[in-house]
Amino acid sequence: GAVVSQHPSWVICKSGTSVKIECRSLDFQATTMFWYRQFPKQSLMLMATSNEGSKATYEQGVEKDKFLINHASLTLSTLTVTSAHPEDSSFYICSTTPDYNEQFFGPGTRLTVL
Amino acid sequence: AQSVSQHNHHVILSEAASLELGCNYSYGGTVNLFWYVQYPGQHLQLLLKYFSGDPLVKGIKGFEAEFIKSKFSFNLRKPSVQWSDTAEYFCAVSSNTGNQFYFGTGTSLTVIP
Repeated sequence: GAVVSQHPSWVICKSGTSVKIECRSLDFQATTMFWYRQFPKQSLMLMATSNEGSKATYEQGVEKDKFLINHASLTLSTLTVTSAHPEDSSFYICSTTPDYNEQFFGPGTRLTVL
Repeated sequence: AQSVSQHNHHVILSEAASLELGCNYSYGGTVNLFWYVQYPGQHLQLLLKYFSGDPLVKGIKGFEAEFIKSKFSFNLRKPSVQWSDTAEYFCAVSSNTGNQFYFGTGTSLTVIP
């Protein structure tokens, strides 16, 4: 299966700062990547679909200006949490799909906002 | 819209007990079905998947699932659980033409040695 990496694995920041999370597809070119958010003991919530070379498609209720997604290359998508607040603390997970039949997940990034 | 229901939120079993986790979905078309597992502190891993063919699917670590189209179900089973099976289990559905996955709310399994 596809290998997906995320960086950083854990980030702690002060309220009001912005945090960038990277998602890399290591062994194939991913035109589409997905960003999920997972709260403790809960399921994954799809935040947005990241498309290489075009704007991301956000799910209803997800603030575009809050969660900036950039998919500038076929192997890298970034999620920037702007002006982070404690309620943004969560586990952020990205995934890629070679053929829309199966998704391969990154290890996730734990964001803690103080 | 598609939706996925997992009715068991938290299951506690003793080692060697049999396991069955329920998963029901709502979608009128052809679907692909998945079970993912998330061990403590680790990322999601695919246990098994169903696209077509034999509705009884065998996955890794002795897990299997049966697709029953008439019941819109894809229940996960294992005849004898081990302590190492303690994890969160997520059922997921996607349409065979779409590019979105819909996850169930997850079932937390705790296996007592």
